[in-house]
Amino acid sequence: SSELTQPPSVSVTPGETARITCSGDALPKQYAVWYQQKAGQAPTLVIYKDTERPTGIPERFSGSSSGTTVTLTISGVQAEDEADYYCQSADISGTYFWVFGGGTRLTVL
Amino acid sequence: EVHLVESGGGLVQPGGSLRLSCAGSGFIFKNFAMNWLRQAPGKGLEWVAGISVESDATPYATSVKGRFVISRDNSKNALFLEMSNLRVDDTATYYCGRVRGDRTGVYVDPWGQGTPVIVSS
Repeated sequence: SSELTQPPSVSVTPGETARITCSGDALPKQYAVWYQQKAGQAPTLVIYKDTERPTGIPERFSGSSSGTTVTLTISGVQAEDEADYYCQSADISGTYFWVFGGGTRLTVL
Repeated sequence: EVHLVESGGGLVQPGGSLRLSCAGSGFIFKNFAMNWLRQAPGKGLEWVAGISVESDATPYATSVKGRFVISRDNSKNALFLEMSNLRVDDTATYYCGRVRGDRTGVYVDPWGQGTPVIVSS
């Protein structure tokens, strides 16, 4: 299966830890990435290759992987982290495809 | 700074055509594969099409295959998406994006700001 499954929503209070999961059979074979999309803006990359953080992304963002599930963890959530988060994987060999999870709305209460 | 700017979106009737453009700057455009992606109103992200550095590989999502054509002009740092036989469900914000990564995993970074396409009678 090429589907990626995310919870529709996660809510936390400022300072707490938010964990967003993404599950899919393709994940052990290919790295996953995470994008953040704030309201009215284009997506931006926050994690690549399961665990790597691009330059400029705060250290409170981290990624992990276990079997068919990858997890985006935001430690010490801040109000500015409120956004939609999407996981994505791809297979560019064989049947070429890119797949996105359905997205998770992170609400900071 | 790497920058991508889309243009060409607008209102079009079902069955009509539209050509989107994407201008790249701040990087060596000809060295990177590129993608078009889209997001329907209130919905998630969807990969639409990709193009290799030499334009010899142009995969498409099943939903647009046979109707959309992706192309690039490396001499002008430009990416294009020719859309024809448009349907109401093609309504979305269309983003271009630079492809990064390798065979272990690929991703888009950065994304352009997007251009809206509305298919309606």
